Amino acid sequence: EVQLVESGGGLVQPGGSLRLSCTASGFTFTTYWMNWVRQAPGKGLEWVANIKVDGSEKYYLDSVKGRFTISRDNAKNSLYLQMNSLRVEDTAVYYCATDLGHLQFDIWGQGTMVTISS
Amino acid sequence: QSALTQPASVSGSPGQSITISCTGTSSDVGGYNHVSWYQQHPGKAPKLMLYDVSNRPSGVSYRFSGSKSGNTASLTISGLQAEDEADYYCSSYRYSYPLGGVFGGGTKLTVL
Repeated sequence: EVQLVESGGGLVQPGGSLRLSCTASGFTFTTYWMNWVRQAPGKGLEWVANIKVDGSEKYYLDSVKGRFTISRDNAKNSLYLQMNSLRVEDTAVYYCATDLGHLQFDIWGQGTMVTISS
Repeated sequence: QSALTQPASVSGSPGQSITISCTGTSSDVGGYNHVSWYQQHPGKAPKLMLYDVSNRPSGVSYRFSGSKSGNTASLTISGLQAEDEADYYCSSYRYSYPLGGVFGGGTKLTVL
């Protein structure tokens, strides 16, 4: 079964850090650019970051540049998002997703909730 | 404020057709044919319904079709069914700074 499973979400105070993980199975992870997309409660989707198949290129949403770092471990079929200096406005469900090409997302995980609150 | 503009809501009766528009700029929707559409039911992850404007992934019903004219893309659902009731989002690659993916604000489809 083709599957992406996110983990690592939780409740963190403003200024804190979290590391999200996404584990892939059922498809060849190493052939896909990978993405993180988030959705604030009751709001729409927002692309956050993506990473090339070999990790050599990474791109970020302007509002997370310098605070978030996307990475991957192809040997573990895993994608990560290190989130530092977290803000209230980072509160969202974070999804990992494969890239069909040109930021078109074909396989999605179930999402992990990140809540930033004091 | 979302980068791409969609109507907040649309509705239709079973069997009817509806169209959802998605308006951007020449730096995204109008630039190339890399517009995608997603369906999201409450509490669920989004599902890819169309890519490259009008291509359907395996398993997506033929009732879903897409088109584009200038800076506006459209999703049409024909033969509306109750299970089509969901939120729909368009997305495009942005070809100018800041590079990245941009989404529409989403459209709530109600099947009457």
